[in-house]
Amino acid sequence: DIQMTQSPSSLSASVGDRVTITCRASQGISNYLAWYQQKPGKVPKLLIYAASTLQSGVPSRFSGSGSGTDFTLTISSLQPEDVATYYCQKCNSAWTFGQGTKVEI
Amino acid sequence: QVQLQESGPGLVKPSETLSLTCTVSGGSVSSGSYYWNWIRQPPGKGLEWIGYIYYSGSTNYNPSLKSRVTISVDTSKNQFSLKLSSVTAADTAVYYCARGYYYDSTYYPPGDWGQGTLVTVSS
Repeated sequence: DIQMTQSPSSLSASVGDRVTITCRASQGISNYLAWYQQKPGKVPKLLIYAASTLQSGVPSRFSGSGSGTDFTLTISSLQPEDVATYYCQKCNSAWTFGQGTKVEI
Repeated sequence: QVQLQESGPGLVKPSETLSLTCTVSGGSVSSGSYYWNWIRQPPGKGLEWIGYIYYSGSTNYNPSLKSRVTISVDTSKNQFSLKLSSVTAADTAVYYCARGYYYDSTYYPPGDWGQGTLVTVSS
């Protein structure tokens, strides 16, 4: 089974900072990678699919990149409303989530 | 705008079968443009994909749960369902149903989710 490993597991940054979260697949998955945001007590929200395509309505400060085994989610300028846990998800064959990265301010 | 609503017992006894239904409004489970997911989240933990079904009946299950999971669709009621057998306390979680877009043989990750329902496994 392909495992998805996110790093870091948590981070603290200041408003306006550039934040990068990494997701690594144990085997190549092409660009079958999505990112979700889950705010405390809320339903997960799809941010990015196909590794780098922004879901409609998602602010442009969010971006995704990568292919194969290494992927990143970047928040170009962290905002207070971005406090959340972020999950990557492998989206082919047996779908698998990463363990999550908690972002705090 | 599509809405998804999970329903079912909030308490299930160990060794019994967990059964949940997702009612879809504002969209059709018979549509060839979408497929239907179940995802769960144990309290305080991360997300776990359970499986999905396409309107044709084609399914894909998490290998770690496959022996216990059945997902089905009821087009007459515009619903899809989850059955998870032989449950234990480890199956205690918030269960979400979700809709994903299907196009050109590609299952795009689900962008529409229900609010989730907590199922506790306890005697």
